[in-house]
Amino acid sequence: GQSLEQPSEVTAVEGAIVQINCTYQTSGFYGLSWYQQHDGGAPTFLSYNGLDGLEETGRFSSFLSRSDSYGYLLLQELQMKDSASYFCAVLPSGSARQLTFGSGTQLTVLP
Amino acid sequence: DAGITQSPRYKITETGRQVTLMCHQTWSHSYMFWYRQDLGHGLRLIYYSAAADITDKGEVPDGYVVSRSKTENFPLTLESATRSQTSVYFCASSAREGRNTQYFGPGTRLTVL
Repeated sequence: GQSLEQPSEVTAVEGAIVQINCTYQTSGFYGLSWYQQHDGGAPTFLSYNGLDGLEETGRFSSFLSRSDSYGYLLLQELQMKDSASYFCAVLPSGSARQLTFGSGTQLTVLP
Repeated sequence: DAGITQSPRYKITETGRQVTLMCHQTWSHSYMFWYRQDLGHGLRLIYYSAAADITDKGEVPDGYVVSRSKTENFPLTLESATRSQTSVYFCASSAREGRNTQYFGPGTRLTVL
């Protein structure tokens, strides 16, 4: 099976940098994804790592290390609108494209 | 507009009643998914479908039924609603190829009294 661990809450101030970690236990997977969800909204795709290393998309970056069973989402130049929940998810090997999600990290950005 | 829609957006029902939540997507995505989201549990997969007439169970399928007679529709039925099925339900879709990005509908907030 698969399990993903994330911190339940993270707080940071506007303009700062924050890292949200995701550690996982899985027998094999194709890649690690990150989704953002604002209160009352739907999850939206942020980033995907199929290979080890860093992927950058504007202010957001995501990192994967398969040897350490670890990934993270890095948010730079935090803005108030970044306050949301962030979920990591894996696509297990052999699956029919169904993701397994972590329980999410609630990010609060303070002024 | 193109996209993925869910109806109703809000539903209140009583224990024992049958409820059907609708999901419609306009991208012709092969894969469709139903999740429920409860505090502290993140997103849990109920059922998924790889194509029309192909469905399979996810992590928490008990008490739910799905069908997919057309590629664009994936209804979820609660045959006899229970209070434990009070939740927010999200439908999602993804293409067969590529990164497996899932696109989520706006959700249905279901309350079972």
